[in-house]
Amino acid sequence: EIVMTQSPATLSVSPGERATLSCRASQSVTSNLAWYQQKPGQAPRLLMYDVSTRATGCPARFSGSGSGTEFTLTISSLQSEDFAVYYCQQYNNWPPGTFGQGTKVEIK
Amino acid sequence: QALLVQSGAEVKKPGASVKVSCKASGYTFTAYGISWIRQAPGQGLEWMAWISAYSGNTYYAQQFQGRVTMTTDTSTSTAYMELRGLRSDDTAIYYCARADDLSWFDPWGQGTLVTVSS
Repeated sequence: EIVMTQSPATLSVSPGERATLSCRASQSVTSNLAWYQQKPGQAPRLLMYDVSTRATGCPARFSGSGSGTEFTLTISSLQSEDFAVYYCQQYNNWPPGTFGQGTKVEIK
Repeated sequence: QALLVQSGAEVKKPGASVKVSCKASGYTFTAYGISWIRQAPGQGLEWMAWISAYSGNTYYAQQFQGRVTMTTDTSTSTAYMELRGLRSDDTAIYYCARADDLSWFDPWGQGTLVTVSS
């Protein structure tokens, strides 16, 4: 089973600043990687798939990059609604579609 | 747009079973699969199982094999997840999500809280 490791566990960022979240796979997942956003009390929401394709409704300030085992989600200028937990998920070796443990983006 | 609506919260005793439903609308149900993912309180996301709404083929995470069964009713565009032999560590929010095999999850249902307590 592929293990997904996200870092950091918590990221403290001021509104308007840039946030960079990392996700590492224990073996190559090629470009089969998605990102989700989860706010308190809500279900996760798909943000990005195939590394860098924004899902419907995902703002342009979100961008994804990487391939193989190293991936990054960047939020160019944090808005108040972006403070949430972010999960990466690989779907290259499936099942299972393994998730990272999450990165919490909090207000600094 | 695609929408998944799940059944309501459940409270069960250890050893019991729970069956959660997930009703799909806004898309052709049999064109996709449904995955089930759970989230224990304060924890991350754990993939449990997937079923093809077209063929009924299923995949189960190893840790749930023998304890979970997924089914679909194409006449009502509804997927079901039954978990047996409940333990206190099965207390979690259970989500359904639309997914092809080898795919991402979108959209997600609103979640169903299952509480296992004596």
